[in-house]
Amino acid sequence: KNQVEQSPQSLIILEGKNCTLQCNYTVSPFSNLRWYKQDTGRGPVSLTIMTFSENTKSNGRYTATLDADTKQSSLHITASQLSDSASYICVVTALTGANNLFFGTGTRLTVIP
Amino acid sequence: KAGVTQTPRYLIKTRGQQVTLSCSPISGHRSVSWYQQTPGQGLQFLFEYFSETQRNKGNFPGRFSGRQFSNSRSEMNVSTLELGDSALYLCASSPMSGGAVDTQYFGPGTRLTVL
Repeated sequence: KNQVEQSPQSLIILEGKNCTLQCNYTVSPFSNLRWYKQDTGRGPVSLTIMTFSENTKSNGRYTATLDADTKQSSLHITASQLSDSASYICVVTALTGANNLFFGTGTRLTVIP
Repeated sequence: KAGVTQTPRYLIKTRGQQVTLSCSPISGHRSVSWYQQTPGQGLQFLFEYFSETQRNKGNFPGRFSGRQFSNSRSEMNVSTLELGDSALYLCASSPMSGGAVDTQYFGPGTRLTVL
């Protein structure tokens, strides 16, 4: 069964600290994996997109990694800021199938001063 | 460039009614996808349109339908509303079909409440 699981469900960190969010998936055949940031009351914003051949991609203080062998991805946030408080959603796209998008339930990150 | 716009932003309906939501993609984008987001289920894919054709469809009942016009604007319709249809409905556009490795740009969503 194609699934995407994210951990932790929620996380509270101090401003300036680093953190890592996890995404494990069983989606096959794999096409790409996306990380989104969603502020409360707003639509998601794309952070990174990675295909099978990519194992690291950065977007400012956000760095995503992908291990296609173990079907794991992580999103590392460096030097967190209050504005990083949001939900982070992992989405995996399968190569085939009419319904080929699989969503994690997200990690709720809260950065406190 | 203007972003993805969705109208209305908020909507209150009663059970049994129908509703139509509208999405205007970023200029030049040909793919529009719709998603439902609820606290319990998270984001769920509804359908994707590309050049006026439905390319992909999620696991939603036939009460949920959509269409895309020649100017890429899209509408989503839900008939015979149920309480469980209360959700944030998000629209996203991308230059090509969402199946490609293409960045999707989301609108602010329409918050639908069914009483």
